[in-house]
Amino acid sequence: EVQLVQSGAEVKKPGESLKISCKGSGYSFTSYWIGWVRQMPGKGLEWMGIIYPGDSDTRYRPSFQGQVTISADKSISTAYLQWSSLKASDTAMYYCARRGRAGDDYFDYWGQGTLVTVSS
Amino acid sequence: QSVLTQPPSVSGAPGQRVTISCTGSSSNIGAGYDVHWYQQLPGTAPKLLIYVNSNRPSGVPDRFSGSKSGTSASLAISGLQAEDEADYYCQSYDSSLSGFYVFGTGTKVTVL
Repeated sequence: EVQLVQSGAEVKKPGESLKISCKGSGYSFTSYWIGWVRQMPGKGLEWMGIIYPGDSDTRYRPSFQGQVTISADKSISTAYLQWSSLKASDTAMYYCARRGRAGDDYFDYWGQGTLVTVSS
Repeated sequence: QSVLTQPPSVSGAPGQRVTISCTGSSSNIGAGYDVHWYQQLPGTAPKLLIYVNSNRPSGVPDRFSGSKSGTSASLAISGLQAEDEADYYCQSYDSSLSGFYVFGTGTKVTVL
C-alpha cells in the first residue's frame, strides 16, 4: 500500500528555521516525483515545487523560488520542505503528494498534511 | 493567484446532479494539457477523484465523471449524496511563467 506520512504540526516564531518531512512507503521512492502543496487557512491549493528523489532534480513555482528549499534523502525514502527564516504568512497546511507515473501530471497519493503555525 | 477558475460554490438536493466548471486558457487546458480533479473532505487531505480528464481511480464511485473541451473542463456528480459535501479542485499543467502544476480556485459543494 502506497503511503506518504508527514511529520507533525509545528509552532514557530517569525525568523526561526523549520524542516518538515514526508516519508514514502509501499512503492519505489526513487521512481516518482514528490510535490509540495500549500493550503493557507480557508484558502485553496497552491503547488510549491517538486523533486525527483532518484537524482534530486528539483523545480519550484517562481513565487516560491528562494523562499523554501525542497530536498530528499533517498536512503530513508523521505522528502523535505524547509524554511530558513519563517514569516507569519507561512502559516498554512502543507501537503506532500506523489506525482503519477512518468508522463502523468496528476498527484495520485497525498500525505496527511503538516500544519505550520508561525506566530510571535 | 490561480489560473484555473471555478465557481466558489454549487449546491443540490440529495439525488440531484451538479456540475462544476474549470476554466483555463491557452497556456494550460487550451494547450491540450490534461485536467484532473481532487476531492477534499472537511479537515482531510485532498484525494484524487478524476485523472486525465475522465478516468476514475479504483474505488471512486461512477457517480463522478469528468470531461474536457477547449479551454474548459467539467466535473459532474450525479445522484448527489450527503457524503459528497466537500471542496473540489481541478488541476492541470501550465506552460507559462506561473510554472508547471496549477490548481483551480476550488468549489464548495453543499448538499441541501
